[in-house]
Amino acid sequence: QSALTQPASVSGSPGQSITISCTGSSSDVGAYNFVSWYQQYPGKAPKLMIFDVTNRPSGVSNRFSGSKSGNTASLTISGLQAEDEADYYCSSYTTSSTVVFGGGTKVTVL
Amino acid sequence: EVQLLESGGALVQPGGSLRLSCAASGFTFSSYAVSWVRQAPGKGLEWVSSITSSDTYYADSVKGRFTISRDNSKNTLYLQMHSLRAEDTALYYCAKPPERYNNGWSKLGHWGQGTLVTVSS
Repeated sequence: QSALTQPASVSGSPGQSITISCTGSSSDVGAYNFVSWYQQYPGKAPKLMIFDVTNRPSGVSNRFSGSKSGNTASLTISGLQAEDEADYYCSSYTTSSTVVFGGGTKVTVL
Repeated sequence: EVQLLESGGALVQPGGSLRLSCAASGFTFSSYAVSWVRQAPGKGLEWVSSITSSDTYYADSVKGRFTISRDNSKNTLYLQMHSLRAEDTALYYCAKPPERYNNGWSKLGHWGQGTLVTVSS
């Protein structure tokens, strides 16, 4: 399976909103509402931020939100903070009963 | 508190075999699907395999070479790896779904810290 497509990097100033896109196909992102987003700091394990396109696990800030349109999912971080600087990965369940990840996006807070 | 503790990573020669383990605690292990995800040095995440109570799933890149299994009596997940290649070099994580999403193995709410597999001569 081909990896989902994410921008390599996104940046923003504190307080701003940024959006990370995640483009797949009708065999993954477009097929189901099973898109997840993960945050990963260097040397640390990933952390689930959004699952099933729009759901936040308990404890995750409501500054993080997810959406989907067609074959593209998006993660929006509102009120950007220094602590949001990390790598972000999307993933999707596929019609082949597998999971595919995106290549990752490095978020920089200016 | 949910804990997932991977072990078994090592330096192995190309063509060799290795078995990874993931000891789980803090939840009813037998009730949850569990998964392996890997991350090559400096690279992104790659899903490897998942197992439910009755089914197993594999990425094309490991199908036929890796076998996932579980021992619910020991609360332990395994990944048996054969015919290892240089491209299998990675940190291998085990992970489980969030609470109440027992078979939602595509969403990984809890992760271990990983065990490093290096395939090199």
